[in-house]
Amino acid sequence: DADVTQTPRNRITKTGKRIMLECSQTKGHDRMYWYRQDPGLGLRLIYYSFDVKDINKGEISDGYSVSRQAQAKFSLSLESAIPNQTALYFCATSDLWSSGDYNEQFFGPGTRLTVL
Amino acid sequence: SQKIEQNSEALNIQEGKTATLTCNYTNYSPAYLQWYRQDPGRGPVFLLLIRENEKEKRKERLKVTFDTTLKQSLFHITASQPADSATYLCALSNTGNQFYFGTGTSLTVIP
Repeated sequence: DADVTQTPRNRITKTGKRIMLECSQTKGHDRMYWYRQDPGLGLRLIYYSFDVKDINKGEISDGYSVSRQAQAKFSLSLESAIPNQTALYFCATSDLWSSGDYNEQFFGPGTRLTVL
Repeated sequence: SQKIEQNSEALNIQEGKTATLTCNYTNYSPAYLQWYRQDPGRGPVFLLLIRENEKEKRKERLKVTFDTTLKQSLFHITASQPADSATYLCALSNTGNQFYFGTGTSLTVIP
C-alpha cells in the first residue's frame, strides 16, 4: 500500500548539515503530520497541517521547519542537523471521517535518520 | 503536561488466550482514544477508536474499553494468534486534531 510515501527511507548525515525529508500522499487527505519516534519515548508530534495554508507546531518543533507545497506534499526540514535528531521519522495523513472513524491516521513507512 | 503510560514490560501470552493491554493517562481529559498496531520497521496501523461517551467498542477479535473515571483504556485481543505479535500504541486527543501517543506495549504470542 503506497498511499503515503516518504523519501528518503534511510539517511546518514553529519552535524550541521541541512536535511529535507519528503512526504507525498495519494489519499486526497487534507491533514498531514510529521512525527519522530525514539525508543522509550514513543511517537511525538513535530508539526501538523490541516490544509496548504494552515501549519501548526506540535510538541517538539524546535530545530525543525515544514513546508506544505500542495495538498499532497508535506516536507520536513532540519536546518542544521544535530545528533539528538537521530530518530525514525514518520509522516501521516488523515481526514476527519475517513473509513467512518474520526481522524484515523495513515502512516508512511518511515525515514531512518542518523546524524553523526 | 499530559502523561500516557502503557505496560512498560513486554507481554508474552500463549496462543489462544486473551491478551489485555493497558493505557493509563494523567493530567488530561481525552475525548477520543485510538489504538494502533506497529510492526518492526513499519509505520503504525490504525485499529480502533473509542469516544469518551462510549464504554466499549468491538471489532472482530478486538475489544477496547474506556473508563474516564479511572483514566484508563483496556485493549483486548481474544483467541490470540502468533500473527498478533507486534507493538500496540494508544493515542489520545481532547479535540480530535492533535493526538498524543503512548510508548507502546510489545506483545508476543507464543505458539
